[in-house]
Amino acid sequence: AQKVTQAQTEISVVEKEDVTLDCVYETRDTTYYLFWYKQPPSGELVFLIRRNSFDEQNEISGRYSWNFQKSTSSFNFTITASQVVDSAVYFCALSSIIQGAQKLVFGQGTRLTINP
Amino acid sequence: DVKVTQSSRYLVKRTGEKVFLECVQDMDHENMFWYRQDPGLGLRLIYFSYDVKMKEKGDIPEGYSVSREKKERFSLILESASTNQTSMYLCASSLFGAKNIQYFGAGTRLSVL
Repeated sequence: AQKVTQAQTEISVVEKEDVTLDCVYETRDTTYYLFWYKQPPSGELVFLIRRNSFDEQNEISGRYSWNFQKSTSSFNFTITASQVVDSAVYFCALSSIIQGAQKLVFGQGTRLTINP
Repeated sequence: DVKVTQSSRYLVKRTGEKVFLECVQDMDHENMFWYRQDPGLGLRLIYFSYDVKMKEKGDIPEGYSVSREKKERFSLILESASTNQTSMYLCASSLFGAKNIQYFGAGTRLSVL
């Protein structure tokens, strides 16, 4: 069965600190995709990044970076020099095809609070 | 710009009422999804549809049904609302395929009294 675990329920840091959100997944598929989404207070989930299972290269986008390690089934997300606008709930998700259709399995989410 | 629109941001209904949640996407996506979000549980899939008039059960379909008469519109129906269906409901759409990004609406916060 597919499973995504985000062990950190809530994180609170002071602005400008670096913060890492953990994501561990379980799957028996050899081909799969991993996603991170951000949910600000407005409620809409916003896509951040997608990774496929064959690409373990880390990615950096501005203050955001992602570390995908297949050996440990982890896909961690780091925010460098955090800002108040980064405050949100962040979801990690695993995608696969089941019965011919795409299915996303989400982690429980991590609520990140950046304090000024 | 990508757009998934949910008809209501907030709804208050009575136990036993029939409730319709509407979702419209303007991206010509094949797939549409309904999720329920509860604290500590993340998002759980209720139903999805990969084509007009097609529907598949997700992980928690009990107490819900769906309708997809047109490609752009996917409706979630609570036949007889109960208090344990008080939750945030999120609609999403995507192109077919495991790699494709799901785009989400802003959500409907439903309270059943």
